[in-house]
Amino acid sequence: QKEVEQDPGPLSVPEGAIVSLNCTYSNSAFQYFMWYRQYSRKGPELLMYTYSSGNKEDGRFTAQVDKSSKYISLFIRDSQPSDSATYLCAMFRAQKLVFGQGTRLTINP
Amino acid sequence: SQTIHQWPATLVQPVGSPLSLECTVEGTSNPNLYWYRQAAGRGLQLLFYSVGIGQISSEVPQNLSASRPQDRQFILSSKKLLLSDSGFYLCAWSDPGEGFFGQGTRLTVV
Repeated sequence: QKEVEQDPGPLSVPEGAIVSLNCTYSNSAFQYFMWYRQYSRKGPELLMYTYSSGNKEDGRFTAQVDKSSKYISLFIRDSQPSDSATYLCAMFRAQKLVFGQGTRLTINP
Repeated sequence: SQTIHQWPATLVQPVGSPLSLECTVEGTSNPNLYWYRQAAGRGLQLLFYSVGIGQISSEVPQNLSASRPQDRQFILSSKKLLLSDSGFYLCAWSDPGEGFFGQGTRLTVV
């Protein structure tokens, strides 16, 4: 079993829709939770970073962490075609940064 | 501000040749450093990480090695490349928790 599970998709939604991306994890030792966006042939770009359970909002993006369920989510409101990319969740424990497989998202105009 | 440099961006190497990829970080001290490999359409596989000079942890036994000769320098090496070493190699730093990536090296072994 992988430490971090993420549905690889692909996920395709119309412009303006709310997007929900999710990851689950098995190790309660994870302390920090991140979401990255990766465009084709580029390095991942950090979008959101949270430490505790709850919600964190940044513009159209909301990151949610539920440590009791070992579940994290990223919500994108008013999705735009420029949001089309692969989204990766990541978690940090014991000096290691562990990634989910990534979800490929396409926003259709 | 912190920046991370990784080069080269693209590399084509014959099977059996050596490899050296270099990564340097600016604007921070004693960062955790990481090497990842990403196969096409796949997630990031952690290869090596380092918490300090000369301290290397290997995650996946394979044809590669890593070294950290200076605080902000991380090198990925191979003595003899295999076809299966092809992929997108990414260097990252963390301080701790949130991680920041270089732009990656696309390696093709032919």
